Amino acid sequence: DTGVSQDPRHKITKRGQNVTFRCDPISEHNRLYWYRQTLGQGPEFLTYFQNEAQLEKSRLLSDRFSAERPKGSFSTLEIQRTEQGDSAMYLCASSLVAGGPNNEQFFGPGTRLTVL
Amino acid sequence: SQKIEQNSEALNIQEGKTATLTCNYTNYSPAYLQWYRQDPGRGPVFLLLIRENEKEKRKERLKVTFDTTLKQSLFHITASQPADSATYLCASSGSTGFQKLVFGTGTRLLVSP
Repeated sequence: DTGVSQDPRHKITKRGQNVTFRCDPISEHNRLYWYRQTLGQGPEFLTYFQNEAQLEKSRLLSDRFSAERPKGSFSTLEIQRTEQGDSAMYLCASSLVAGGPNNEQFFGPGTRLTVL
Repeated sequence: SQKIEQNSEALNIQEGKTATLTCNYTNYSPAYLQWYRQDPGRGPVFLLLIRENEKEKRKERLKVTFDTTLKQSLFHITASQPADSATYLCASSGSTGFQKLVFGTGTRLLVSP
């Protein structure tokens, strides 16, 4: 499968614990995005990378959130001291910088986080 | 701030009819709009893109229009099928081009046999 993959698919944690999610983009894609989606809402942008550089972070991304893409390939999103409000689906997407006529983003299946 | 609005109420139609979904944007002029399909528990899947200088774009049974005067895009599925039942998301990159996407809330479409 050459699509975007995310791991784990589901994560249940207790409030106050740290969690880390991984995203493996499509191999030739140099842009990688993280979004968060809650029930009944569309995805909300969190941050994106071009290669290993983090180019933009949303104000939604509090100090408890950190994302990395150390070698310009896979990325990790860490949430420290989780809160119940962090419960959501975390989506990763990838694209090329100049990706043809549509420049669409390819999404992974998401990681569903439940904070108890 | 940039805002995309979609009808949050579900749209119920009968098989064979045309489904029409609406996307309105405010406070900016997007360079393009994209439409995605999302099934429960899955990530969105790209369907169509339309640029601000295009009035209409078609792909098989799908048609998208872009009216910059009304600040609106319409998404049509002709000859709808039960397999078309899903949530459809409208998204925009803002006015600067291909970067982060701003999504609407999505409209759930239910096609009955």
